[in-house]
Amino acid sequence: RKEVEQDPGPFNVPEGATVAFNCTYSNSASQSFFWYRQDCRKEPKLLMSVYSSGNEDGRFTAQLNRASQYISLLIRDSKLSDSATYLCVVRPGGSGNTGKLIFGQGTTLQVKP
Amino acid sequence: GAVVSQHPSWVICKSGTSVKIECRSLDFQATTMFWYRQFPKQSLMLMATSNEGSKATYEQGVEKDKFLINHASLTLSTLTVTSAHPEDSSFYICSVQGSFRYNEQFFGPGTRLTVL
Repeated sequence: RKEVEQDPGPFNVPEGATVAFNCTYSNSASQSFFWYRQDCRKEPKLLMSVYSSGNEDGRFTAQLNRASQYISLLIRDSKLSDSATYLCVVRPGGSGNTGKLIFGQGTTLQVKP
Repeated sequence: GAVVSQHPSWVICKSGTSVKIECRSLDFQATTMFWYRQFPKQSLMLMATSNEGSKATYEQGVEKDKFLINHASLTLSTLTVTSAHPEDSSFYICSVQGSFRYNEQFFGPGTRLTVL
């Protein structure tokens, strides 16, 4: 089983749609959770951290369910510029883990006019 | 956030040669740097973690004698792919992490390696 699992998609949605991505992680001791965005042939960029209480940044809402080991990202009012691959990222817990990140495969979003 | 550069941005080499990739933290003292590799349509996979002035810690399955990492200063880490083969063709990305902003990593723009 992969440490971080995502549905690779692609998700094809019209502009203005609401779309949700899900992610599960296997290590219950994981400490921190993030969503990154990666454009084609570019490096990943931090979209937002994910907190237990849930957090929102403009059109983006992230949720964490530690009991189910499940993370979600909701994008409202999709824009063409939201087209990218969204990476679910987890920082494992435990001693010896000096901040390394575990990346999911990514979910590809294509927003159509 | 920190500004991270990588050089070269892309490289094509013949099988059997060695390639060195540099990762520089331009405005940030990076006590820890990470090297990742990404094959097409796959996720980033951590190769190794390097701490300034000490030996790198390699992930399981990554050959330390093939992928040489040097982290000689707080602003520079290098990854050398020795005796490169076509299966080493990939997108290599470094990231930096400071000691005072533990929760955040900053990624370089990546180096695309093609081995013929």
